[in-house]
Formats: sequence, structure tokens, C-alpha cells
Amino acid sequence: DAGVIQSPRHEVTEMGQEVTLRCKPISGHNSLFWYRQTMMRGLELLIYFNNNVPIDDSGMPEDRFSAKMPNASFSTLKIQPSEPRDSAVYFCASSFGAYSNQPQHFGDGTRLSIL
Amino acid sequence: GQQVMQIPQYQHVQEGEDFTTYCNSSTTLSNIQWYKQRPGGHPVFLIQLVKSGEVKKQKRLTFQFGEAKKNSSLHITATQTTDVGTYFCASTWDSNYQLIWGAGTKLIIKP
Repeated sequence: DAGVIQSPRHEVTEMGQEVTLRCKPISGHNSLFWYRQTMMRGLELLIYFNNNVPIDDSGMPEDRFSAKMPNASFSTLKIQPSEPRDSAVYFCASSFGAYSNQPQHFGDGTRLSIL
Repeated sequence: GQQVMQIPQYQHVQEGEDFTTYCNSSTTLSNIQWYKQRPGGHPVFLIQLVKSGEVKKQKRLTFQFGEAKKNSSLHITATQTTDVGTYFCASTWDSNYQLIWGAGTKLIIKP
């Protein structure tokens, strides 16, 4: 079975550019999570969707970040304009059910470098 | 906000030695999950504990949930190079959606 699929795997871009990260959750999973991981701050939850609806975006750093889930099989995380401090690994994860008593399945991540 | 304290941050061991990481909370946890992240990889779910005092084993890995459901541990017996990585605990309070993650313990095998 296909796992969570993220693209691109690596992204290097210049400050000020728009960055779009993509995620395809596991089929049948109705919860989707975007995380950011850095050495300094560890693993941070950015936003959580359930049944395609954003439930909690309190972890989104600021207005430069936005996330959408237009259907059950696709989500995007956009940064506009990007800044060097946005450099991190961004993970998408999905799970079945609305509550966190279910395992989360992570994609391979997008390694983002903003120059 | 709710926090899960995980210690130690790093543990250096000789291959064949044991490894243990601990997670603690000041309040009762609903459940606790353990994940492993290999260097350059993504977190992978290992196990979930739900019941007070629960102990589960996966080969050389032993997971425990405290009687008061405020702490948990992961113990690896006779570490191997394949065990290298960062081990995270993650938990919830009540039945909400958000996992609160520990900071992780990095297992390093000494050369």
C-alpha cells in the first residue's frame, strides 16, 4: 500500500519566493497533519485537518503560511514570501479518525532551504 | 499548555549495551505512543500504550506505561547499529486530536 506521499523531497529557493509543498495522505485516512521539524524547536504541529476541514491552525507561524485541503487526497502548504528562518523539514502525516488514539503515518518530508 | 518531558536528550552506548528513554507528565495521560526516526528519515510509529501499568514487547524493545499513567519508558536490550535514531514519545490528554510530542532521545552507538 502507498504511504503518505510528499513532494518535492527537496526544495532550495531564494528568500522572497513562494514555496508550495504537497501531500497525498493514505487513502481512507480522514485526518491530516502538517509538521515542521528543526534542530532548535523539534517537531511542531502547524495545522490539522479533519475531513478536509482545518480544525486547528494555531501552530501556523504567521500569515505567510497557508494550508489547504481541497479534497480527501490532496493538501498543500504554502509559504509566501519565504524567509531563511523557514528552512526546515516539513512533514505531512495522516491518520484514521478524528482523535489522536490512532497512529500517525508520516511522509518522507520536504527538506526546505531558503537562501 | 500540556507538555511531555522526555529524557535524556542524547544517549551514547556501546553496541550491545542497553538503552532507555523516559517520558513524564505532571498530569494523567490518555495514551502514549512511541515513534522512531532514523537519521534523515521520518517518524515511524512503533507502539501505543493505553492501560495503566501496561507493558508491551517488540523483540528487544520493552515499552511501559506507569501505574498512574503519568510516565512511560522505552528500553532496548543489547543495542544494535540498526537501533540508531531518535525515539519520540507522543501523548494526548483526553480524547482530543492533538498529539503532544516529547523532544526525543537520540541513540548514538559509539564506534
